[in-house]
Amino acid sequence: EAQVTQNPRYLITVTGKKLTVTCSQNMNHEYMSWYRQDPGLGLRQIYYSMNVEVTDKGDVPEGYKVSRKEKRNFPLILESPSPNQTSLYFCASTSGTLPFTNTQYFGPGTRLTVL
Amino acid sequence: AQSVAQPEDQVNVAEGNPLTVKCTYSVSGNPYLFWYVQYPNRGLQFLLKYITGDNLVKGSYGFEAEFNKSQTSFHLKKPSALVSDSALYFCAVSVRGRNTPLVFGKGTRLSVIA
Repeated sequence: EAQVTQNPRYLITVTGKKLTVTCSQNMNHEYMSWYRQDPGLGLRQIYYSMNVEVTDKGDVPEGYKVSRKEKRNFPLILESPSPNQTSLYFCASTSGTLPFTNTQYFGPGTRLTVL
Repeated sequence: AQSVAQPEDQVNVAEGNPLTVKCTYSVSGNPYLFWYVQYPNRGLQFLLKYITGDNLVKGSYGFEAEFNKSQTSFHLKKPSALVSDSALYFCAVSVRGRNTPLVFGKGTRLSVIA
């Protein structure tokens, strides 16, 4: 089954404790992206990757890091989480050299709470 | 920079009635337009998109949307709403010919009442 998986689905942590949210897709997609969803703000892009070893900032990259060492994986790293990073996070992927014309496939989401 | 506006936070409609969820956009150039739906505790799912061609686009679950260039709108419609259509709907835009990421609207919560 074609899918995007994220782990963990739920996470409660404390300020300053480094964490990683994993994202994996099995569709051989070149493009992957991370979004955060906040009430009244919709989805905002954090980082995206056009292919292996190619990443770029989205609209709200501050406080986040990503890496793309393999095509299927695109982890999101919070080196020192803060309460304003409490949010619902989605990973997405799509294919093609013009990914912004294509359908994006979203993971189920990770609800992060930073105390 | 491109932007998307969904002017209604919430839309309520009775089951069986037609529904409309509004979306307007602003881009420099020709847009690619998308609708996604999010059911409770789920990720977003693709509904339909406009790339080029016919202004009326048909998508999943009986939804359709009409691209109106003069009004810069891409409203989502369905002739007869179902209770199961209740969800959060997002409009998104990117720009043709440019490698610019999708920009999403803030979302509209649709409630279909039996």
